[in-house]
Amino acid sequence: AQKVTQAQTEISVVEKEDVTLDCVYETRDTTYYLFWYKQPPSGELVFLIRRNSFDEQNEISGRYSWNFQKSTSSFNFTITASQVVDSAVYFCALSHLNTNAGKSTFGDGTTLTVKP
Amino acid sequence: GAVVSQHPSWVICKSGTSVKIECRSLDFQATTMFWYRQFPKQSLMLMATSNEGSKATYEQGVEKDKFLINHASLTLSTLTVTSAHPEDSSFYICSARDKWEPEAFFGQGTRLTVV
Repeated sequence: AQKVTQAQTEISVVEKEDVTLDCVYETRDTTYYLFWYKQPPSGELVFLIRRNSFDEQNEISGRYSWNFQKSTSSFNFTITASQVVDSAVYFCALSHLNTNAGKSTFGDGTTLTVKP
Repeated sequence: GAVVSQHPSWVICKSGTSVKIECRSLDFQATTMFWYRQFPKQSLMLMATSNEGSKATYEQGVEKDKFLINHASLTLSTLTVTSAHPEDSSFYICSARDKWEPEAFFGQGTRLTVV
């Protein structure tokens, strides 16, 4: 069985602060995808990143960066110099690559509030 | 590419009526589609997996007679909530993938309110 844990239920920061959202996962699969999504109040899932299990290179995209560490089964997400528009619920998810490809398991989400 | 469209975006219906939600893949053939449900302030939970031309596979605890899934074509899957009740009010979201790509892409979701 797969499991994704986002231990931080809610985080509140002041604008321009850096913030890291934690994600820890469990899977028996040797190959898988990891995702981060942003969900604004409208509900739509906004895709942020996809990581393949055999690519442990960290990634930076503007103010966003991701740290994937297979040894600790973690895929953490950092927002640098946070902005009010970053306020949303963020989900980490794990997806099968082989059997049941595309089937996703989501964490419980972290609600980020960025105050001006 | 890989666009998935859901319709309607939101719907309000009376208790006891049925509601149909459509999930379409616009630029690829979706051999597999997934339906998720998200209650307020909760995570997305998989309800069922449907393969084109086959009966859907439901997750434990999901009533297959209440949530009818039809995946009759490679670009369309429908979820029908039958005899809806207020406790069925939720956000329903689909995802779809083709046979050559292991990643599924999400629709924009449908917010169902049963009054």
